[in-house]
Amino acid sequence: SSELTQPPSVSVSPGQTVTIPCSGDILRSRFACWYQQRPGQAPALIIYQDNQRPSGIPERFSGSNSGSTATLTISGSQPVDEAEYYCQVWDSSVVVFGGGTKLTVL
Amino acid sequence: QITLKESGPTLVKPTQTLTLTCTFSGFSLSTSGMSVAWIRQPPGKALEWLAIIYWDDDKRYSPSLKTRLTITKDSSRNQVVLRLANLDPLDTATYFCAHPTDVYGEGLSWGQGTLVTVSS
Repeated sequence: SSELTQPPSVSVSPGQTVTIPCSGDILRSRFACWYQQRPGQAPALIIYQDNQRPSGIPERFSGSNSGSTATLTISGSQPVDEAEYYCQVWDSSVVVFGGGTKLTVL
Repeated sequence: QITLKESGPTLVKPTQTLTLTCTFSGFSLSTSGMSVAWIRQPPGKALEWLAIIYWDDDKRYSPSLKTRLTITKDSSRNQVVLRLANLDPLDTATYFCAHPTDVYGEGLSWGQGTLVTVSS
């Protein structure tokens, strides 16, 4: 089965840019989605089809996918962005998640 | 507007069967291409996909839980039911249902989740 690998944690200073990678061979042929999950809340879609933002998602969130790595970029990080972030792909009608990355803004 | 809500017991005993219901609005599981998935998250751990059911009753299960899971739908009531048999304390988790949203490239819209504790 497909696997997606994320770093367990990353940190960023307020106002700075941070990138969160998601790696896996399946990313060479599939779109990636990204979800933000704040403590005690359900995940929320923030990026779909590698680099598209749903309505209402701030422009500081962007995505890319090249080779076997998808990347979530947060430009001008804010304290409210402190959360867990998950990448996700579809693999033959099956949902595959990365292990999640805890973003600390300090 | 798409909404989903999970319901079911909050506490179940080991070896019992868990039955969870996802009640949704804003789409129809009778419509071609539509589906509903179940995902769980043990406390402090990552998301784990469990199962998905499609408008045509096609079903897929997590290989690691396939023998214990059953997913069904009642399109007329806008509900999807997940059953997990032979519960273990390791099944303690928040259980979410979610809908792949065609407008957002099959990105998932989520219910609020329901915490299920397995304990004697």
